[in-house]
Order: sequence, then C-alpha cells, then structure tokens
Amino acid sequence: DIQMTQSPSSLSASVGDRVTITCRASQGISNYLAWYQQKPGKVPNLLIYAASTLQSGVPSRFSGSGSGTDFTLTISSLQPEDVATYYCQKYNSAPRTFGGGTKVKIK
Amino acid sequence: QVQLVQSGSELKKPGASVKVSCKASGYTFTSYAMNWVRQAPGQGLEWMGWINTNTGNPTYAQGFTGRFVFSLDTSVSTAYLQISSLKAEDTAVYYCARGDILTPYYLYNWFDPWGQGTLVTVSS
Repeated sequence: DIQMTQSPSSLSASVGDRVTITCRASQGISNYLAWYQQKPGKVPNLLIYAASTLQSGVPSRFSGSGSGTDFTLTISSLQPEDVATYYCQKYNSAPRTFGGGTKVKIK
Repeated sequence: QVQLVQSGSELKKPGASVKVSCKASGYTFTSYAMNWVRQAPGQGLEWMGWINTNTGNPTYAQGFTGRFVFSLDTSVSTAYLQISSLKAEDTAVYYCARGDILTPYYLYNWFDPWGQGTLVTVSS
C-alpha cells in the first residue's frame, strides 16, 4: 500500500507568515491528492483537489502544488482562523490513505 | 444543496452492536461512492472503506474486516455502517463522505461533502 507522510506534524507561526506543509507519497500518485482542513471539534473540509485546484469558497491564500510523490500546501499569509489540523489524502484507488496531519498554531 | 446527515451520538456497552446512518440529499445517491472514515479521540483520519452505491459492493480497508459492515437503502438515499462486538477502542467519531463518481463512467474523486460525524462511545 502507498503511504502518505506529512511534515511537520505541528508548527507554530505568526499571523501574516507564509506557512508550508509537505506531503510525500511512497509511490507516484500523479495528481490524485487532496488537502483537508479540520478545525478543532469540526468536520474535515475540502481545501484543494487534484493537487492544486482550489475548492470553491476557499480563500485564495491557500494553494497547492506538486505531482507524483511530492506535494505542498501553502498558506501565503497565516490568519487566526487558519488554526486547524491539515491532512493530505491520496484518492486514486484503495486504500484512500490520509497523511498523519499537521497541526497549525498561532505563535 | 448537497449534504450528508448522520444519525446521532451513541453510547454502547462492550459487546453490543451499533448502526450509524448517513442520509444523502441534493444529488443522485447512486452516482457516487460512499466512504466511511474513523477518527479516534485526539487522532487523525483513518479510511475504513467504501461502498459502491450502484452495486452495493463494499470494500473494507485493512483493520476493518469482520466486525464492520457497510450497507445501503437506496430507496431513502441512505448508507449505513454497522459495527458488532463493540470494544472500547471502537470509541471514535465516524464520518461518511461522498467519493468516487460511479456514473456515467467511473472517476476517482476527492471526499466532499462529509457528514457531520457520529460519536460512538463504548463504555461499561
């Protein structure tokens, strides 16, 4: 099975900082990669699909890139409402594995 | 709008069974796969498997075979997750999430939307 490894597992940054989260697949998955945001006590919310396509309604400070095995989620200017855990997920074939998550906090 | 509404929280004793429902609206139920995802307290997201809403065929992830059953009632656009012989370690929030496109042709798809989650607590 393909493993999805996220890093870092947590980070603390100041409001306005640029934040980057990486996700690595153990084998190539083309661009079948989604990013989800889960705020504390809430349901996961789709941010990005097909590695770089922003879901409707998601602020433009979020962006995704990558293909094959290496992917990145970037928040261009961190806002207080971005405090959450972020998960990547491969969705080409089973198992539809999630990364371990990256918890983003405000410094 | 497209939405998934799950049944309410459950408190069960070890050894009992539970059945969680996920009612879809706003789209053609049999055109998309339905996935189930578990989140134990303080832990990440774990994909449990999915059910083809067209054929009723379920696929279970490793670790979710035997006690876990996915089923459907297409007449009411509802998917079900049944867990039998409950253990304390089954305590978690269980989510349903719409996935792959099944008709008119098969396409891999991301998970959207998600149900609001159902907390299942197993305690004596």
